[in-house]
Amino acid sequence: DAKTTQPTSMDCAEGRAANLPCNHSTISGNEYVYWYRQIHSQGPQYIIHGLKNNETNEMASLIITEDRKSSTLILPHATLRDTAVYYCIVRVLRDDKIIFGKGTRLHILP
Amino acid sequence: EPEVTQTPSHQVTQMGQEVILRCVPISNHLYFYWYRQILGQKVEFLVSFYNNEISEKSEIFDDQFSVERPDGSNFTLKIRSTKLEDSAMYFCASSPTAGHGYTFGSGTRLTVV
Repeated sequence: DAKTTQPTSMDCAEGRAANLPCNHSTISGNEYVYWYRQIHSQGPQYIIHGLKNNETNEMASLIITEDRKSSTLILPHATLRDTAVYYCIVRVLRDDKIIFGKGTRLHILP
Repeated sequence: EPEVTQTPSHQVTQMGQEVILRCVPISNHLYFYWYRQILGQKVEFLVSFYNNEISEKSEIFDDQFSVERPDGSNFTLKIRSTKLEDSAMYFCASSPTAGHGYTFGSGTRLTVV
């Protein structure tokens, strides 16, 4: 019962912006969009989350469409260290867990 | 930057033995979690813990598993009688509030032989 759909894999050239899409067409009004990533063999790492407004932090920007049915995570200047699996997750704040899907495997190419 | 610390980094155990995986969450965090990842597979939720009790658990978290916060700083996962299929990377996580992003530890690789 996947709430999100992401491409299996993507490539991006080092130094360019990496734009990772996520579809969440059945998102409900109180569900937030979260992004995590997992660099090989490490624990997942929280990146950013948002409800409907675009968000930016030191790691990335999150662009959510006006109808909230999709979003894009933007890594503005990708480096080789950004090679990882990126997970888009929707959840309500009171959920006692996050559920990981298969994510998008992002390869940053030198 | 505060970290979630997990020990040991790698544990090898005989099938049927009990193991305890240890985690030190970030000190002002109130919500605690265990996840596991079998090699090549998805990260799977096991259990969440808040206010000294389990708040949610998955179907994986059966009677062989238990969690404890024995002293206000450590958060442990016990597997009573390990099976070969328990071999996985186990990740501990914590968060200050339910809606905040989780901070994960670097994991314990459990190998059951």
